[in-house]
Amino acid sequence: LAKTTQPISMDSYEGQEVNITCSHNNIATNDYITWYQQFPSQGPRFIIQGYKTKVTNEVASLFIPADRKSSTLSLPRVSLSDTAVYYCLVGINGSSNTGKLIFGQGTTLQVKP
Amino acid sequence: DVKVTQSSRYLVKRTGEKVFLECVQDMDHENMFWYRQDPGLGLRLIYFSYDVKMKEKGDIPEGYSVSREKKERFSLILESASTNQTSMYLCASSSQYKNQPQHFGDGTRLSIL
Repeated sequence: LAKTTQPISMDSYEGQEVNITCSHNNIATNDYITWYQQFPSQGPRFIIQGYKTKVTNEVASLFIPADRKSSTLSLPRVSLSDTAVYYCLVGINGSSNTGKLIFGQGTTLQVKP
Repeated sequence: DVKVTQSSRYLVKRTGEKVFLECVQDMDHENMFWYRQDPGLGLRLIYFSYDVKMKEKGDIPEGYSVSREKKERFSLILESASTNQTSMYLCASSSQYKNQPQHFGDGTRLSIL
């Protein structure tokens, strides 16, 4: 099972772009990379998912190099409300393997005024 | 929007009690999951189910059981609660289709005294 490594914490200021990198050296051919966001006292919320190259939605961008052994979540122009824990996951959903998604310890992002 | 509802936000029980945590989802999802979340340990999968009456053990099933009698409902059972089961419990659901993200409830903070 592919495990992930990401920084425990990061600090930023309002209006800056934040990039959080996740390492997943043992990613399997069929694995996708998924990022979740979690605020205190709430469940994780899906942000973005990708397989290779670049994916962008209204919230974030996800950059995945050709070897797929790492990925970078990019949050443009963060605000105080982006202060949260961000989790990087690799795995497959939609089969009996579904339950084998692994949440690591996440990255606590603190956005300062 | 997908809605995953957990029956209680906060619950206090005593050692040795049988405890039921209930989770209901409204999106006709095939897959449902129970996680626990502890400081410094991230999210850990307890059990998951990919169909009615089907269940599979996650990474930490000891001391827990589950029940899925209806597609929309997934129950976590602590047969004889112990203090080391004090934690935040999170329920999630997802579609069976490949790589669909998991959607989480807001959690139940369970304290065992």
